[in-house]
Amino acid sequence: EAQVTQNPRYLITVTGKKLTVTCSQNMNHEYMSWYRQDPGLGLRQIYYSMNVEVTDKGDVPEGYKVSRKEKRNFPLILESPSPNQTSLYFCASSSGQWNQPQHFGDGTRLSIL
Amino acid sequence: GQQLNQSPQSMFIQEGEDVSMNCTSSSIFNTWLWYKQDPGEGPVLLIALYKAGELTSNGRLTAQFGITRKDSFLNISASIPSDVGIYFCAGQLDGGTSYGKLTFGQGTILTVHP
Repeated sequence: EAQVTQNPRYLITVTGKKLTVTCSQNMNHEYMSWYRQDPGLGLRQIYYSMNVEVTDKGDVPEGYKVSRKEKRNFPLILESPSPNQTSLYFCASSSGQWNQPQHFGDGTRLSIL
Repeated sequence: GQQLNQSPQSMFIQEGEDVSMNCTSSSIFNTWLWYKQDPGEGPVLLIALYKAGELTSNGRLTAQFGITRKDSFLNISASIPSDVGIYFCAGQLDGGTSYGKLTFGQGTILTVHP
């Protein structure tokens, strides 16, 4: 089954403790992206990757890092999480062709205390 | 960054009614997308629009890509309880350094009363 898998689905942690949210897709997609969703703000793009070793900033990259060492994985790293990063995070992937839509994972809810 | 204004923010309707929501942008997009999000899940694509003026249907859903490329609307006819959810518009520029950046509207929360 074609899917985008995020882990963990839920995480409560404390300020300053480094964390990584993993994202993996099994569709051999070139394009992957991370979003955060906050009430009243919709989804905002954090980082995206057009292919292996190619990453670009989205609209809200501050406080986040990503890496794309292999095609199927695109982890989101919070080196020093802060409470304003408490949010619902989604990973998405697509083939990268201009007319192919993004497929989203089921989300990761992060709470930073 | 670019801004998308989606309206209305929420709608409460009776089953069987038609629904209309729209998105406007201060900038042009080359692709407009409409997504639906059910509780606890990620957004799922409903309709994709690739040409200015394009009108596309998917069952009871109809969406149009505005001729100015700065707006789009989504209509749902004869709503049913399973239409409940959050609907998002999204705009994308294709090509060059802008490809890959997707901008979402704030979402429309739809509630359907049986």
